[in-house]
Amino acid sequence: NAGVTQTPKFQVLKTGQSMTLQCAQDMNHEYMSWYRQDPGMGLRLIHYSVGAGITDQGEVPNGYNVSRSTTEDFPLRLLSAAPSQTSVYFCASSYSNAGSTQHFGDGTRLSIL
Amino acid sequence: DQQVKQNSPSLSVQEGRISILNCDYTNSMFDYFLWYKKYPAEGPTFLISISSIKDKNEDGRFTVFLNKSAKHLSLHIVPSQPGDSAVYFCAASATGNTDKLIFGTGTRLQVFP
Repeated sequence: NAGVTQTPKFQVLKTGQSMTLQCAQDMNHEYMSWYRQDPGMGLRLIHYSVGAGITDQGEVPNGYNVSRSTTEDFPLRLLSAAPSQTSVYFCASSYSNAGSTQHFGDGTRLSIL
Repeated sequence: DQQVKQNSPSLSVQEGRISILNCDYTNSMFDYFLWYKKYPAEGPTFLISISSIKDKNEDGRFTVFLNKSAKHLSLHIVPSQPGDSAVYFCAASATGNTDKLIFGTGTRLQVFP
């Protein structure tokens, strides 16, 4: 039972480069979300999806794109990386029931030089 | 504007004693609250939750109290154990569904022998 799997675990990029953070879950969860964690800021919601083909913005969506073509996968794209996007990124998933809890991956640590 | 606040960045407690972690919120639309625990290099894991229709929820050594009039909740850990040393995040949802969670900044708990 893998749960929520994020790849890569670590990545260093140069300013202006693009990349995709991968997230996959094997629990057949409808909801999937991306958060970033910064010192003193807690976890902030970037984008989320309530099902395949449906995505919406969270608190800090600028500079990030998402798509949800399957229930299992929810990739996060940085089109032109900026130093302000240096952070730890967490993907999470959950059922759509009220009171359902989110399951988190172990995170991707991203540094933008 | 931080809608969920954890004003104590750190807490140190002796093993066997009670740990009390506090959380305040400003949005009166929040109706579901959760606590997550996070170890270094891992994703947050769900600990305990409470609906706004309750004022207390207990699960083993962990109890969450909700004071709606004060917009305040607290997590009590009794007795505290060294394995409880982690960062604890308070989170809130305005819909009852946890597809959009607003997190606090976290409190680092250290339990010493």
